[in-house]
Amino acid sequence: AQSVTQLGSHVSVSEGALVLLRCNYSSSVPPYLFWYVQYPNQGLQLLLKYTTGATLVKGINGFEAEFKKSETSFHLTKPSAHMSDAAEYFCAVSRENQGGKLIFGQGTELSVKP
Amino acid sequence: ETGVTQSPTHLIKTRGQQVTLRCSSQSGHNTVSWYQQALGQGPQFIFQYYREEENGRGNFPPRFSGLQFPNYSSELNVNALELDDSALYLCASSFGLAGAGHEQFFGPGTRLTVL
Repeated sequence: AQSVTQLGSHVSVSEGALVLLRCNYSSSVPPYLFWYVQYPNQGLQLLLKYTTGATLVKGINGFEAEFKKSETSFHLTKPSAHMSDAAEYFCAVSRENQGGKLIFGQGTELSVKP
Repeated sequence: ETGVTQSPTHLIKTRGQQVTLRCSSQSGHNTVSWYQQALGQGPQFIFQYYREEENGRGNFPPRFSGLQFPNYSSELNVNALELDDSALYLCASSFGLAGAGHEQFFGPGTRLTVL
């Protein structure tokens, strides 16, 4: 069975500092990987996704993530945090022939201090 | 281009009642997925509809049921509500099967409270 683990339910960084949100997955076959962001009282917005090809994926708002098969990881980074990045971030995984199921991690709340 | 919309925004029900939540897909999308997000948790997959037929189901009991209409809008019905059903219910639409890596576009959700 697939699962997604996000290390750290809450991460706090200073404005301008590096953002690193960790995600590890378990899957018997290469999965599709996603990062979503959720602002308060809103739905989820896709930041980036990995399906095939280049393992370093660039997304919106300056975020990027690297698929590392050997480490079963898909960590999300941003070189310089902005106050507007404060939100809940979810890592998710899916596979073909799984009925369209997205499996989400528990989420990481990112706080950005001025 | 209109995004995914859901109604109502908030809903309060009592235990044992039935509820219907509605979702309008983004224009051109033929796949709808429903998720339950309990407070402080990640979303949990309930089921997916593709071209009006259920295409996959998560670990939810049969009292959770759904429909997809010819215009690709969708309903989630929950019978015999339990306190643990209190959650944010998210609808997501995509063009093609979401499990194949297609992006799912999420609506703002319906907050259901069961008393």
